[in-house]
Amino acid sequence: EAQVTQNPRYLITVTGKKLTVTCSQNMNHEYMSWYRQDPGLGLRQIYYSMNVEVTDKGDVPEGYKVSRKEKRNFPLILESPSPNQTSLYFCASSLGRPYGDVLTFGAGSRLTVL
Amino acid sequence: GEDVEQSLFLSVREGDSSVINCTYTDSSSTYLYWYKQEPGAGLQLLTYIFSNMDMKQDQRLTVLLNKKDKHLSLRIADTQTGDSAIYFCAEEGGSSNTGKLIFGQGTTLQVKP
Repeated sequence: EAQVTQNPRYLITVTGKKLTVTCSQNMNHEYMSWYRQDPGLGLRQIYYSMNVEVTDKGDVPEGYKVSRKEKRNFPLILESPSPNQTSLYFCASSLGRPYGDVLTFGAGSRLTVL
Repeated sequence: GEDVEQSLFLSVREGDSSVINCTYTDSSSTYLYWYKQEPGAGLQLLTYIFSNMDMKQDQRLTVLLNKKDKHLSLRIADTQTGDSAIYFCAEEGGSSNTGKLIFGQGTTLQVKP
């Protein structure tokens, strides 16, 4: 089944403890992106990647890192998480960007930072 | 800058039509989307419309685009309890070349039996 898989789905951690949220897609998509969803704000883009080894900042990149060493994987790294990074995170991918190529979203990863 | 606005809540009776509205600011948007989010799930694409279209119909869904007023709407005919979810409007293209979607805040649709 064509899908975007995120892990973990739920995580509670403490301030400053490094964590990685993995994202993997099995559709040979070139474009991948991370969003965070917060109440009343909709979804905001954190980072995106047009292809392997090509990444760039979205609207809210502070406190996050990403890497794209392989086409299928796009992990989101929080080096020193803080409570304001408590959020619902979505990874998404598509064949190519921009314009009109449908983004497929993962099921989401709910992160709580205490 | 780019912005997308939606009302936060809509309540309808089962069998009625639902209309969810959205306004956006980027006049050079090329595609506009409607996504559905059910509790605990990711975003599911419902439909999308290219900016040179006025209307798109897909079974119970009708999308209307008024490009002059930068207004997008989603009409769900014969709304069912299974349609209860959060609906996001999103725009793409224009001034951004990043493939980024700009999302509205989401409209929670409550369908009463």
